[in-house]
Amino acid sequence: DIPMTQSPSSLSASVGDSVTITCRASQSVDRWLAWYQQRPGKAPKLLIYATSSLHTGVPSRFSGSRSGTDFTLTIRSLQPDDFATYYCQQANGFPYTFGPGTRLEIK
Amino acid sequence: EVTLVQSGAEVKKPGESLKISCQASGYGFANYWIGWVRQTPGQGLEWMGIMYPAGSTTHYSPSFQGRVTMSVDKSIGAAYLQWSSLEASDTAMYYCARREYFNTPLDPWGQGTLVTVSS
Repeated sequence: DIPMTQSPSSLSASVGDSVTITCRASQSVDRWLAWYQQRPGKAPKLLIYATSSLHTGVPSRFSGSRSGTDFTLTIRSLQPDDFATYYCQQANGFPYTFGPGTRLEIK
Repeated sequence: EVTLVQSGAEVKKPGESLKISCQASGYGFANYWIGWVRQTPGQGLEWMGIMYPAGSTTHYSPSFQGRVTMSVDKSIGAAYLQWSSLEASDTAMYYCARREYFNTPLDPWGQGTLVTVSS
């Protein structure tokens, strides 16, 4: 297994703010890292794949980057719909492990 | 449109068996992987395993190997996840999701099937 960690586990922000969530892989996953958004009571939705590629229909306010085994998800100009839980997932080797999630709450 | 529609919520007793389904539509079912993800109440996502319908290839997470069985029916474009003997700890939401090929993410996802195991 490739354990994944995320920080912070939760954060509070206001509409219009920018936030950054970090995901760290315990070993190299190359660029094969995806980000998902999950709203309460809903299935996860793909936001970003292969570190920085935006999934179809995802606003450009979302962006992803990588430095070694550290990956970041940045959301600029937060909108009310963005308050949700975000998960990273490595897709380099089975099992495709998820991070523990970051809950983004409205301040 | 590519969609995955999962079977409805289940309430079972410990020791009972269960098979839940994931009905695919809008694409060539056999040529895309189907994965399963568990989410226990109030917790995060756990990758359970993945199956390639065309070749019946399966990859299970070590955490779930021997505890669940993935299968497909290519003739109707459906994937299944089954248990032979449920435990209370299997209480969770289970999602199916599609994967295109190696290194790609899961998309789209089914709406989830809630399984409750209680005596």
